Amino acid sequence: EIVLTQSPATLSLSPGERATLSCRASQSVSSYLAWYQQKPGQAPRLLIYDASNRATGIPARFSGSGSGTDFTLTISSLEPEDFAVYYCQQRSNWPRFTFGPGTKVDIK
Amino acid sequence: EVQLVESGGGLVQPGRSLRLSCAASGFTFDDYAMHWVRQAPGKGLEWVSGISWNSGSIGYADSVKGRFTISRDNAKNSLYLQMNSLRAEDTALYYCAKESLGYCSHWGQGTLVTVSS
Repeated sequence: EIVLTQSPATLSLSPGERATLSCRASQSVSSYLAWYQQKPGQAPRLLIYDASNRATGIPARFSGSGSGTDFTLTISSLEPEDFAVYYCQQRSNWPRFTFGPGTKVDIK
Repeated sequence: EVQLVESGGGLVQPGRSLRLSCAASGFTFDDYAMHWVRQAPGKGLEWVSGISWNSGSIGYADSVKGRFTISRDNAKNSLYLQMNSLRAEDTALYYCAKESLGYCSHWGQGTLVTVSS
């Protein structure tokens, strides 16, 4: 089973700052990694797929990078609506998926 | 517009069974794989099960394998999750998700399952 770890668990930043979130896989998942955003009381929303592709309607301030076992989600300049929990997810052994434990981005 | 509406959740005693349903609309259901993802109260997302468009490929998380069964009825645009031998740790909000581009592109609002005596 592929295990995903995310760091940090919590990231405290101010609006306008840059956020850098990490996701690490226990074995290579190639580029088969996605990032989701979840706000309280809402379903998750797909942000990035295949490591670096923005999903439909996702602002350009969100970007993803990485391959193999190490991945990064970057939010270039935090907007008030970006404070949320972010999850990575791999699909390299489809149809079995795995989610990471999440990183909470909160307001400093 | 893609719509996914889950139903069938509720309070159930440990060891009993429950069947969840997901009604899909706004897209050609039988073109897409589908998934169930759950979220325990205050916890993260856990993938539960996935099924290909024609039910030819199915996968389960180790935590539910042998107890849960995923299925779909393309004629009814519906996805199902039969949950047997339920445990307290199965308590969660269960989301139905449409797979597109290889990932969960659209999600329902979830149905809550509570396993308690």
